[in-house]
Amino acid sequence: AIRMTQSPSSLSASTGDRVTITCRASQGISSSLAWYQQKPGKAPKLLIYAASTLQSGVPSRFSGSGSGTDFTLTISCLQSEDFATYYCQQYYSYPVTFGQGTRLEIK
Amino acid sequence: EVQVVESGGGLVQPGGSLRLSCTASGFTFSDHYMDWVRQAPGKGLEWVGRTRDKPNSYTTEYAASVKGRFTISRDDSKNSLYLQMNSLKTEDTALYYCTRVTRGGNYYAFDIWGQGTMVTVSS
Repeated sequence: AIRMTQSPSSLSASTGDRVTITCRASQGISSSLAWYQQKPGKAPKLLIYAASTLQSGVPSRFSGSGSGTDFTLTISCLQSEDFATYYCQQYYSYPVTFGQGTRLEIK
Repeated sequence: EVQVVESGGGLVQPGGSLRLSCTASGFTFSDHYMDWVRQAPGKGLEWVGRTRDKPNSYTTEYAASVKGRFTISRDDSKNSLYLQMNSLKTEDTALYYCTRVTRGGNYYAFDIWGQGTMVTVSS
């Protein structure tokens, strides 16, 4: 199975900050990567797929980049509603696997 | 409104069985692959498995941790997805999400999620 490793595991930031979360795959996955946001007690929400394509309705302050083994999710100007846990997910090969999550907290 | 709603969770003893259901509405269910994803309390997301659509012969894929114990099926006439769970273990305790797969030329992603149904395996 392809292992997805996110860093950092947790992150403290302030509204207005620019933050970057990294996801590394244990082997090349082309651009077969998605990012999800999950708030406490809620289901995950799709933010980005194909590494850099913004899901409809997702604010443009979210962006994704990368290919191969290294990927990033960037939030350009943090809003209060962005404090949540973020997961990357590869769909290059079975089994589908997720990163362990990055918890974004208010500083 | 496009949505999926899970049901069927509950408390079951180790070694027991449970069948989860997911009912879809607001979209053409038969056009989509459908997956199950689970989340143990306080933990991250774990993919459970997938059922493809009719053109792809309703074939399935499973995570190694559930293969041989869990079976995914669907009934397109009822807009429903199912997860039959047998030989349940304490480590299967989790919130189980039904998800719709959106796919294109070279991408798959889970664009619709239910609220989840909780399965607790305990004696």
